[in-house]
Amino acid sequence: QQPVQSPQAVILREGEDAVINCSSSKALYSVHWYRQKHGEAPVFLMILLKGGEQKGHEKISASFNEKKQQSSLYLTASQLSYSGTYFCGTETLNTGNQFYFGTGTSLTVIP
Amino acid sequence: NAGVTQTPKFQVLKTGQSMTLQCAQDMNHEYMSWYRQDPGMGLRLIHYSVGAGITDQGEVPNGYNVSRSTTEDFPLRLLSAAPSQTSVYFCASSYVRPRESPLHFGNGTRLTVT
Repeated sequence: QQPVQSPQAVILREGEDAVINCSSSKALYSVHWYRQKHGEAPVFLMILLKGGEQKGHEKISASFNEKKQQSSLYLTASQLSYSGTYFCGTETLNTGNQFYFGTGTSLTVIP
Repeated sequence: NAGVTQTPKFQVLKTGQSMTLQCAQDMNHEYMSWYRQDPGMGLRLIHYSVGAGITDQGEVPNGYNVSRSTTEDFPLRLLSAAPSQTSVYFCASSYVRPRESPLHFGNGTRLTVT
């Protein structure tokens, strides 16, 4: 039930862009994205509902292709504060109310 | 608003001991859930609740019990602690079911079982 994320880790220089992918083998209601700093709780970034929408949050945006059960998180002109582990979370159509997270993508932004 | 409050922040148990991790939210959220986080394995769902009096199992429920007698509280009980339960535990809640609503997390409980 757990979605698959790629890549597992990425290192960027300030100002560079990154894409994090999340895919599921099951049909999805929605996809969430969270960021977790070391030693802290995950923090909600955005939710994408069925309909293929794209959303933005500062220089971070995401898309959701419900036909392919895939979502991508786009980080543009990365800043040092973007460092952390990014998780996607999903609820599939056949697991009623069970919300699963991917294994995470570690993002490190260096000066 | 305090949001989601978890206690304790740290706990050390001996194998076989029992304890309860507390979780309370003051946002009138219907949905509450418990996750454990282990290195390299992300967040795994233990139990969840869609409202007072209703609970159900997630993907790793063995060794844990929950109850939801009020909307605000969702305690997690470890029945007989084992070293494999050493982990960081997060409680999370959402206004309605997470297919439509973001999850709000507590600050976590770091549990060590020796």
